[in-house]
Amino acid sequence: QVQLQESGPGLVKPSETLSLTCTVSGGSIINYYLSWIRQPPGKGLEWIGYIYYTGSTYSNPSLKSRVTISLDTSKNQFSLKLSSVTAADTAVYYCARTYSSGWDWFDPWGQGTLVTVSS
Amino acid sequence: SSELTQDPAVSVALGQTVRITCQGDSLRSYYPSWYQQKPGQAPVLVIYGKNNRPSGIPDRFSGSSSGDTASLTITGAQAEDEADYYCNSRDSSGNHLVFGGGTKLTVL
Repeated sequence: QVQLQESGPGLVKPSETLSLTCTVSGGSIINYYLSWIRQPPGKGLEWIGYIYYTGSTYSNPSLKSRVTISLDTSKNQFSLKLSSVTAADTAVYYCARTYSSGWDWFDPWGQGTLVTVSS
Repeated sequence: SSELTQDPAVSVALGQTVRITCQGDSLRSYYPSWYQQKPGQAPVLVIYGKNNRPSGIPDRFSGSSSGDTASLTITGAQAEDEADYYCNSRDSSGNHLVFGGGTKLTVL
């Protein structure tokens, strides 16, 4: 059974770069997209972007200039970097395996990790 | 604002049928996926594609689409179905993914 687990600092200072890693276990990342999704406290879900196993990336236009998603197939991991963070970037960050075949779905999801932006 | 619009809140009596809707132009071209999220938990996929349920999702959950509106129907709602529900699909460009704002379902 495929499982995903996010890891990274829970506190980031304003203007710095948020860095998270998602480790995929129990299955391959080959032939899949891998997404980052976030949810500010008390609010809805926001797709950040995804990376295909070949390395191609696609990001939410509203975040694109600040987002970098990368992949390490040897470790079955993918990572998110979000630069120049502000308090508005405080959220639970999820990673999810993503199917994209004309329509899309996310399954499974990691448990999520809360990242707080504060000095 | 999201390109997919959901009612913020819906309620249903225990055992009755409820429909949660998601509206957006992109739904004319792409099937949505639907997620259930309970407090403090990660979202869980409940419907994807035309009307497909992942393993372990009860058959009281079903999906349908017509024009620019997609629906998640729960037939015979149970207390454990009380949760937030989100739809997801492509944006109007077809190049990016977007979520609806979510619907809070209360089972009375």
